[in-house]
Amino acid sequence: AQTVTQSQPEMSVQEAETVTLSCTYDTSESDYYLFWYKQPPSRQMILVIRQEAYKQQNATENRFSVNFQKAAKSFSLKISDSQLGDAAMYFCAYRSAHPTQGGSEKLVFGKGTKLTVNP
Amino acid sequence: GAVVSQHPSWVICKSGTSVKIECRSLDFQATTMFWYRQFPKQSLMLMATSNEGSKATYEQGVEKDKFLINHASLTLSTLTVTSAHPEDSSFYICSARDFGRSLYEQYFGPGTRLTVT
Repeated sequence: AQTVTQSQPEMSVQEAETVTLSCTYDTSESDYYLFWYKQPPSRQMILVIRQEAYKQQNATENRFSVNFQKAAKSFSLKISDSQLGDAAMYFCAYRSAHPTQGGSEKLVFGKGTKLTVNP
Repeated sequence: GAVVSQHPSWVICKSGTSVKIECRSLDFQATTMFWYRQFPKQSLMLMATSNEGSKATYEQGVEKDKFLINHASLTLSTLTVTSAHPEDSSFYICSARDFGRSLYEQYFGPGTRLTVT
């Protein structure tokens, strides 16, 4: 079974600074997707960024980028120029790329990191 | 696009009663829907996966007779908590997949807070 570990229960960052959230995972599959989701106080889950395991290039979405290290099974999220609106719970998640071939379509979530942005 | 709604957003019920939560995909057909449970300050735990027109697949440890899931149409799935007890109080979130739209993305509803007194 796949597992996702987020070792930082809480993180804080000054507005306009950069912060990196850590995520490691364990899987025996070679093809999968990794995601970072944001859950603000409204509790609405918002997809921040995704990474396909077969792609070597790290995904980037505006101020959000990832450092994907497949061999190390590491998938960290970097938030640049942090804004007050970035304050939220951040969840790292894993999904098999081939659910019809023995994998699963379900998302496996880490326990989350609460990010506080200080003005 | 890709909006998922849930109703109600908050419900309070008495112990022993049943409560139904609806999950609707508003602008797409959801081939698969997922139901998650989230306790305060914790992560999302998948309860079950449902495909339209077939029985839901429950995760290990989830009582299928207590948490009834119906995915009767491509835009509606319901979760019924039967004989609710205070320990069922939680935040329930649904998500939906549109295989034709995306190979991987799940679109999440805003969640339903259930309080059992």
